[in-house]
Amino acid sequence: DAGVTQSPTHLIKTRGQQVTLRCSPISGHKSVSWYQQVLGQGPQFIFQYYEKEERGRGNFPDRFSARQFPNYSSELNVNALLLGDSALYLCASRDGTGNEKLFFGSGTQLSVL
Amino acid sequence: RKEVEQDPGPFNVPEGATVAFNCTYSNSASQSFFWYRQDCRKEPKLLMSVYSSGNEDGRFTAQLNRASQYISLLIRDSKLSDSATYLCVVNRFSGNTPLVFGKGTRLSVIA
Repeated sequence: DAGVTQSPTHLIKTRGQQVTLRCSPISGHKSVSWYQQVLGQGPQFIFQYYEKEERGRGNFPDRFSARQFPNYSSELNVNALLLGDSALYLCASRDGTGNEKLFFGSGTQLSVL
Repeated sequence: RKEVEQDPGPFNVPEGATVAFNCTYSNSASQSFFWYRQDCRKEPKLLMSVYSSGNEDGRFTAQLNRASQYISLLIRDSKLSDSATYLCVVNRFSGNTPLVFGKGTRLSVIA
């Protein structure tokens, strides 16, 4: 079975641009979360979606938005990019039945110049 | 104060050594606790859950002290392949709710 897949793997943008990151969860998993990991720090929670509804939001500005599609895949959008948005963006999925184990994708490395 | 705090590291130990990582959490209502392992430039992966009674998985032992809001991970007989960053992780609630990650402690096992 395929694990969590993310695309693209690497991305270079300039300040002020917009970016869309994509995630496909493990088959059968209905819950998707997004995390930002800056170099030298642990992952920081951005969003959680379950059954296409937002179930949680971390302490990130409104420039960050996300959505989940009927097939449970998800997109993370970041507008008006800042240098500080440079990070590894991790998507994680769970089956949503109460099992707390998170399965992470290999991430999208975003560099903002 | 950060919600989850870990030893800053890095820890550089010889093969065969025993190494212990400590972690404290600030939210006394936190329900679930985990250690994740992250290799360089890779995604985090669950190493083990942490239970109040303590639990062991081979060379790895995890302990939880709810009264002190303290979590530990002990690695015995360290292997070169144990070199990674170890992330202390807390769930404020139980079930399908967001996890809070510590900064991580980097371990290098040296031959």
